[in-house]
Amino acid sequence: AQSVTQLGSHVSVSEGALVLLRCNYSSSVPPYLFWYVQYPNQGLQLLLKYTSAATLVKGINGFEAEFKKSETSFHLTKPSAHMSDAAEYFCAVSDKSGANNLFFGTGTRLTVIP
Amino acid sequence: GAGVSQSPSNKVTEKGKDVELRCDPISGHTALYWYRQSLGQGLEFLIYFQGNSAPDKSGLPSDRFSAERTGGSVSTLTIQRTQQEDSAVYLCASSLSATGRANVLTFGAGSRLTVL
Repeated sequence: AQSVTQLGSHVSVSEGALVLLRCNYSSSVPPYLFWYVQYPNQGLQLLLKYTSAATLVKGINGFEAEFKKSETSFHLTKPSAHMSDAAEYFCAVSDKSGANNLFFGTGTRLTVIP
Repeated sequence: GAGVSQSPSNKVTEKGKDVELRCDPISGHTALYWYRQSLGQGLEFLIYFQGNSAPDKSGLPSDRFSAERTGGSVSTLTIQRTQQEDSAVYLCASSLSATGRANVLTFGAGSRLTVL
């Protein structure tokens, strides 16, 4: 079965500081991995995705994530936090059956302190 | 349309009543998904539709929940005899196809259901 675990339901960083949001996955097949962001009162938007090409994936708004098979991780990072990054972030893994269903983590709420 | 449209955006109902939530996917997207987002929880998969294939209903939490998709486009999620634990945000998403794992889901803004 596919699953992801997001460590830390809440993360606070100062404006300009490094953002690190953790995601570990479990998959019986080579995974496809995604990070989505949800701003207040909005739907989820795709930040970036890993589809077995380059292990370092760059997304929108300066975010990137690195696929590490040995650690079964796909952590999301951004070198310098901006106030507008405050949102909830979800890691997701693609379904093993070859269909496109996604299994989501419980989310991490990012707070940026001015 | 330009995005995934959901209605109503907010619904307050009394325990025991039935509710219908509507999703209008992006034109041309053959796959449609329903997720539930409860307070403090992640997104819980409910059901997905792919073209004319039988839907995957494996995530529906009880037989009070059902969904249909008419004409391969608009979908309605129906919750019968609502319970307080049904209170959540119901998210709809669509994608070009459900057979390619790299396909990206586009989400609607959700329908917030409150059962009193």
